[in-house]
Amino acid sequence: QQQVKQSPQSLIVQKGGISIINCAYENTAFDYFPWYQQFPGKGPALLIAIRPDVSEKKEGRFTISFNKSAKQFSLHIMDSQPGDSATYFCAASMRGGSEKLVFGKGTKLTVNP
Amino acid sequence: DTEVTQTPKHLVMGMTNKKSLKCEQHMGHRAMYWYKQKAKKPPELMFVYSYEKLSINESVPSRFSPECPNSSLLNLHLHALQPEDSALYLCASSQTTSGNRPQHFGDGTRLSIL
Repeated sequence: QQQVKQSPQSLIVQKGGISIINCAYENTAFDYFPWYQQFPGKGPALLIAIRPDVSEKKEGRFTISFNKSAKQFSLHIMDSQPGDSATYFCAASMRGGSEKLVFGKGTKLTVNP
Repeated sequence: DTEVTQTPKHLVMGMTNKKSLKCEQHMGHRAMYWYKQKAKKPPELMFVYSYEKLSINESVPSRFSPECPNSSLLNLHLHALQPEDSALYLCASSQTTSGNRPQHFGDGTRLSIL
């Protein structure tokens, strides 16, 4: 129940294409869903986050889609660029859970020029 | 540049050594975290400090000893580590531990145990 399942494990996209990464959860007590981007040798950087009272959030080329009834959320990267090549982690946490983030296993994105 | 600063960036130590990792943030955050990350895996939570008090210890072996001297600083003292403890150690901070505030990570200390 504490798991967040992330897919795919790896993703190769051409420059200018759309990258889509999916996550699913079971625990309905989760109410905060951030996405992190991590480059080699760096720490995870918060990319975008959503709460379950909205179905979509967009920041630049990055969009989170949230489906509360299906307990799924996804990250869409529009006009993918080689500089977006990184590992992406979805995560979830719950109010009163001491901010414990439950991470997905990660998706390695490669954007070919 | 990250607003959470970790030192050193790299550390190589023998199994009998004692060393410390340091983390600093000046964002006024009152919650700080230590994570361990192995290659190609997500970060794993080790400890959570809230208002300088230890609030979560994820059953971490006693060879790892955290310390929070003040609201801006977090240390991780290491002693008698094992080769399997080689990993990237990440520090993070957030405004508080309530209300699902974003966690901001440092770039980590790459630890190698000989």
